[in-house]
Amino acid sequence: DVKVTQSSRYLVKRTGEKVFLECVQDMDHENMFWYRQDPGLGLRLIYFSYDVKMKEKGDIPEGYSVSREKKERFSLILESASTNQTSMYLCASTPSMGIKGYTFGSGTRLTVV
Amino acid sequence: ILNVEQSPQSLHVQEGDSTNFTCSFPSSNFYALHWYRWETAKSPEALFVMTLNGDEKKKGRISATLNTKEGYSYLYIKGSQPEDSATYLCASAMDSSYKLIFGSGTRLLVRP
Repeated sequence: DVKVTQSSRYLVKRTGEKVFLECVQDMDHENMFWYRQDPGLGLRLIYFSYDVKMKEKGDIPEGYSVSREKKERFSLILESASTNQTSMYLCASTPSMGIKGYTFGSGTRLTVV
Repeated sequence: ILNVEQSPQSLHVQEGDSTNFTCSFPSSNFYALHWYRWETAKSPEALFVMTLNGDEKKKGRISATLNTKEGYSYLYIKGSQPEDSATYLCASAMDSSYKLIFGSGTRLLVRP
């Protein structure tokens, strides 16, 4: 019954590594999002995508890039991981028809050491 | 960045108590207001999406109201149960782009 799947629940990476966070949805949603959540702060939007190969910067895109080669998959890339990117990362999707709530993945807790 | 504010930050109540939290959002350029429940170790789950001033939605013991003119929404839980313990997030959409701006959440703990 899982609809948005994030590839890893917990991840530990070293500073300077290139990190890939994968998100797959099986609901044929056009819109996909990457947020990060830090204590005391709301979810902050990193990048989003309206369609295959389309991407737009959110509020905090620095240090990140994304890839959407297929409709169901939206990847977040940390080009060179830094300790300030230690966070909980949440992927979400929503359809373009109507105003619907997001469907979220279960999150990836990334620690950069 | 336009801010969405939630209060209180955390709340401890006894089982059976009724409770409510507030979400404040910019009333200009309002498009939609979302509420989510996020239980520990689970995904955030959509509770309500509201668009019209005066909207009131209900799901079991949980209900929400919306005032778009003054920029606030209330979430009510009647007769809280331990399984209601979670972080409740609200989020505002300013346009039809599907982007949401989230508040920092209200963490509710219901003691048996």
